[in-house]
Amino acid sequence: DADVTQTPRNRITKTGKRIMLECSQTKGHDRMYWYRQDPGLGLRLIYYSFDVKDINKGEISDGYSVSRQAQAKFSLSLESAIPNQTALYFCATSDADRGSTDTQYFGPGTRLTVL
Amino acid sequence: AQKVTQAQTEISVVEKEDVTLDCVYETRDTTYYLFWYKQPPSGELVFLIRRNSFDEQNEISGRYSWNFQKSTSSFNFTITASQVVDSAVYFCALRVVNDYKLSFGAGTTVTVRA
Repeated sequence: DADVTQTPRNRITKTGKRIMLECSQTKGHDRMYWYRQDPGLGLRLIYYSFDVKDINKGEISDGYSVSRQAQAKFSLSLESAIPNQTALYFCATSDADRGSTDTQYFGPGTRLTVL
Repeated sequence: AQKVTQAQTEISVVEKEDVTLDCVYETRDTTYYLFWYKQPPSGELVFLIRRNSFDEQNEISGRYSWNFQKSTSSFNFTITASQVVDSAVYFCALRVVNDYKLSFGAGTTVTVRA
């Protein structure tokens, strides 16, 4: 089974709709992240969470919100989707324990299209 | 602020050719980590390697090798004897110590033709 899973894998929605993307991990990592990927721009950080009570905005958080329901679950919400939020979304996890590399491991991605 | 530049947008090679992907980074921090990730056509991001700034030893893993040179702020990636399965987008990334943020390059699309 994959260590980091994302649901749904693909989603088409309409402008103005609320949508939630979910991420679960079995790696036991404390830190979780949400990124979006746009062609030619690499990945950009939306939100990150170092533990259940610690959630922080990344470089492009406007229009998004997150919820860390448990150590293993981190959800990304688009309250009112707009077409320029069409992108590939990735969840990632890393281990912040002393001595760890804090390397980020990514989920399979969710392809979101907003019409 | 950190910056990663992958100047090559696309590279196309014939199977069995070698291909080198360039990565140049900018940071004022003296301790940092460099990464390479692979994104095959299926879309997932696969971690390939992490290199610490204080370890300039080059690394080889099968057909993959990495050349880290602090003097030129470069962390280049070479695929030897490329195969069709190497076709993917490859991302270079940088993180400074005590910071959460991974700064990604724009990616290089590698196409290996049979």
